[in-house]
Amino acid sequence: GAVVSQHPSRVICKSGTSVKIECRSLDFQATTMFWYRQFPKKSLMLMATSNEGSKATYEQGVEKDKFLINHASLTLSTLTVTSAHPEDSSFYICSASLGTMNTEAFFGQGTRLTVV
Amino acid sequence: GDSVTQMEGPVTLSEEACLTINCTYTATGYPSLFWYVQYPGEGLQLLLKATKADDKGSNKGFEATYRKETTSFHLEKGSVQVSDSAVYFCALSEMDSSYKLIFGSGTRLLVRP
Repeated sequence: GAVVSQHPSRVICKSGTSVKIECRSLDFQATTMFWYRQFPKKSLMLMATSNEGSKATYEQGVEKDKFLINHASLTLSTLTVTSAHPEDSSFYICSASLGTMNTEAFFGQGTRLTVV
Repeated sequence: GDSVTQMEGPVTLSEEACLTINCTYTATGYPSLFWYVQYPGEGLQLLLKATKADDKGSNKGFEATYRKETTSFHLEKGSVQVSDSAVYFCALSEMDSSYKLIFGSGTRLLVRP
């Protein structure tokens, strides 16, 4: 299957700082990328859908000014957690798709964010 | 809205034991159903899927049947191996693909030699 690389796999940051997470499709062009978040013992929750070259579409309840998503190229999307707080500590996972609604999406390894 | 409920883990089994991980869903339409597996340190991988009622998805000895009458998609394997130890996620999509997924909370499986 296609390979999606997410970096970093783990990050610890101080409260008030910003953290950037990268999601790269290594062997295909990803028109659409998705960002998910997982709380302990809870489901992976879709945060936003990003299409290359346009603004991301955020799910209800997700603060777009808090979680900045940039999808500037067909192989890279970034999620920046701004002014991080301990409650932002979570597991973040991206997936990437060729873009049409009947194509599969492939997942990155996830990023464990801890805010202290 | 749509949702997926799966049994809480961890599930601990001895090698060659039978496995069932329960998954039920609620959806307004006719979703596609998926099982994903996440091995330690790796991303989620599609294990199997079914796109319509009574379809059976299968892969690597795992099976799941799309049961519309019970809104279920239970994952089964007749004889587990140590290498099956992982976290398993049930998910649904209103599309025919994994384009946009609603996940269950995941079930950790630990298989002991």
